[in-house]
Amino acid sequence: AQSVTQLDSQVPVFEEAPVELRCNYSSSVSVYLFWYVQYPNQGLQLLLKYLSGSTLVKGINGFEAEFNKSQTSFHLRKPSVHISDTAEYFCAVSDSLAGGTSYGKLTFGQGTILTVHP
Amino acid sequence: EAQVTQNPRYLITVTGKKLTVTCSQNMNHEYMSWYRQDPGLGLRQIYYSMNVEVTDKGDVPEGYKVSRKEKRNFPLILESPSPNQTSLYFCASSFSSGIGEQFFGPGTRLTVL
Repeated sequence: AQSVTQLDSQVPVFEEAPVELRCNYSSSVSVYLFWYVQYPNQGLQLLLKYLSGSTLVKGINGFEAEFNKSQTSFHLRKPSVHISDTAEYFCAVSDSLAGGTSYGKLTFGQGTILTVHP
Repeated sequence: EAQVTQNPRYLITVTGKKLTVTCSQNMNHEYMSWYRQDPGLGLRQIYYSMNVEVTDKGDVPEGYKVSRKEKRNFPLILESPSPNQTSLYFCASSFSSGIGEQFFGPGTRLTVL
């Protein structure tokens, strides 16, 4: 079964500073990777996803993530954060091999709370 | 507007009193799923459904039931709620399992006293 580890439970940063939220997943032959954002009192919204192709994925709101197969990582980055980026961020992984017992199952990390200070 | 709706949004109940949380999507999605969110644990899958009349257990199914009689609806049933089921619950749907982006409902905050 897949597992996802988000290495930081909380990340405080100042406005306009760069940020990196780290995510590692357990090894698998082939995976799909996702980052979701949850603003206070709201549901989850997709930020970006990696299915195949270029390992650098660009998402909404200026976020990007890089898929590193050798390190089984999918870290999320933004070069300059805003107050409005304050939210909880979830990394998730799905096995991509059709027919497997865990095909389609989305496994989430524990979440990282990003707090942007003025 | 394409969306996943859940009702109720907030619920306080007592141990043992059966309850149902409804979930409905208007995107003709095949795949639907229920998650619970607890601090420090992220989201954990309770049950999922690949299509009408096809449901299966997720990681934490104990104490929950689901049904999928229609494509658009996927209710979550707690036959005899207990305090350890106090949590934030999310319903999600997607066109297909695996690669499809999952669309999430707004959440249902359940408190069991």
